[in-house]
Amino acid sequence: EAQVTQNPRYLITVTGKKLTVTCSQNMNHEYMSWYRQDPGLGLRQIYYSMNVEVTDKGDVPEGYKVSRKEKRNFPLILESPSPNQTSLYFCANSYTGGISYEQYFGPGTRLTVT
Amino acid sequence: QKEVEQDPGPLSVPEGAIVSLNCTYSNSAFQYFMWYRQYSRKGPELLMYTYSSGNKEDGRFTAQVDKSSKYISLFIRDSQPSDSATYLCACSEYNTDKLIFGTGTRLQVFP
Repeated sequence: EAQVTQNPRYLITVTGKKLTVTCSQNMNHEYMSWYRQDPGLGLRQIYYSMNVEVTDKGDVPEGYKVSRKEKRNFPLILESPSPNQTSLYFCANSYTGGISYEQYFGPGTRLTVT
Repeated sequence: QKEVEQDPGPLSVPEGAIVSLNCTYSNSAFQYFMWYRQYSRKGPELLMYTYSSGNKEDGRFTAQVDKSSKYISLFIRDSQPSDSATYLCACSEYNTDKLIFGTGTRLQVFP
């Protein structure tokens, strides 16, 4: 079964305490992305990666870091979390092949920063 | 102005109705247009994907892109209560994975 997994699913932390949200895929897709979803603002892309060691900023990259050392994993790092990063985070992968396109989202990570 | 605009709804329709969901966009470089369905407390699920202009049909769902007016639509025929969800549109330029989403339209189909 095609899967994108995220851990942890729920996290409550304090301002300034570094954290990492892991994302892993079992589909060998080249593209992976991180999004945050906030009420009234919809889904906004944080970072995306089109291949190993290739990452690009999305719309809201400030305060986040990512790395893509291997195709399977794409962790999201918050070096010094702040309350305005309280949000629902989704990881996704995607594949484009000619006229076809596939994309799968993870189940989400609900982060609260106090 | 947001690059992709979508009416947040909510949209409430009776079972069996034809539902029309719409988005407008401002970036003429967008080439790929997607529709997603998101149930409460779940991740988005890709429903339809269209490259450039035209129509695409998949069962009860039809996606339509009109690049001349920068308008994209999703039609749901014979709507069911199980279609109740938030529907998001998204657009992307060629050869990139950078997606711009609309804010989503909440749809409720009542029996």
